[in-house]
Amino acid sequence: KNEVEQSPQNLTAQEGEFITINCSYSVGISALHWLQQHPGGGIVSLFMLSSGKKKHGRLIATINIQEKHSSLHITASHPRDSAVYICAVGVYGGATNKLIFGTGTLLAVQP
Amino acid sequence: EPEVTQTPSHQVTQMGQEVILRCVPISNHLYFYWYRQILGQKVEFLVSFYNNEISEKSEIFDDQFSVERPDGSNFTLKIRSTKLEDSAMYFCASKPRGEGWPQYFGPGTRLLVL
Repeated sequence: KNEVEQSPQNLTAQEGEFITINCSYSVGISALHWLQQHPGGGIVSLFMLSSGKKKHGRLIATINIQEKHSSLHITASHPRDSAVYICAVGVYGGATNKLIFGTGTLLAVQP
Repeated sequence: EPEVTQTPSHQVTQMGQEVILRCVPISNHLYFYWYRQILGQKVEFLVSFYNNEISEKSEIFDDQFSVERPDGSNFTLKIRSTKLEDSAMYFCASKPRGEGWPQYFGPGTRLLVL
């Protein structure tokens, strides 16, 4: 069983739509991360959160620690939002907190 | 804005050859990581490094792999005898301190083993 599960795996939306990507995890975590990966492969950190909600521009991330669940929302989606969105959890291990990644959600926003 | 850099961006090698992947973490960061992503699969943790020693390593990180921080700026991943299944994108990451800080990722090195 995967320690980090994301849904959906693929998502196609029309420009302007409200988008939600879900993430569930089964391990104890230090924090949950939402990352963005573009076709070239580079990974960019969007959010790191351990409780509540964070907002950055049109992106909103929430986490429910008791339910081990997080959501990433994109409001007023735009074609430039098209990318793979990855949920990853930080887990304790020695002095460092490695990340365990989900499989990602491929988002395509059509104009 | 400071960023993590990796070289080379692409490397093609023959099976059995040694490869060294180089990373320059952000200056003043203390924690360093290598991850890999096989094409079409999720990103996987390989190893973390702190205070000049390996802090944690995954099952993937066997005796064929090693990491070094030879000077104050570089962080290298060496694969001694590459296998076909080592073909992947390798990401380096760093962060300034322990808990409460995100990891900053480099652009990756795409390794192809023939």
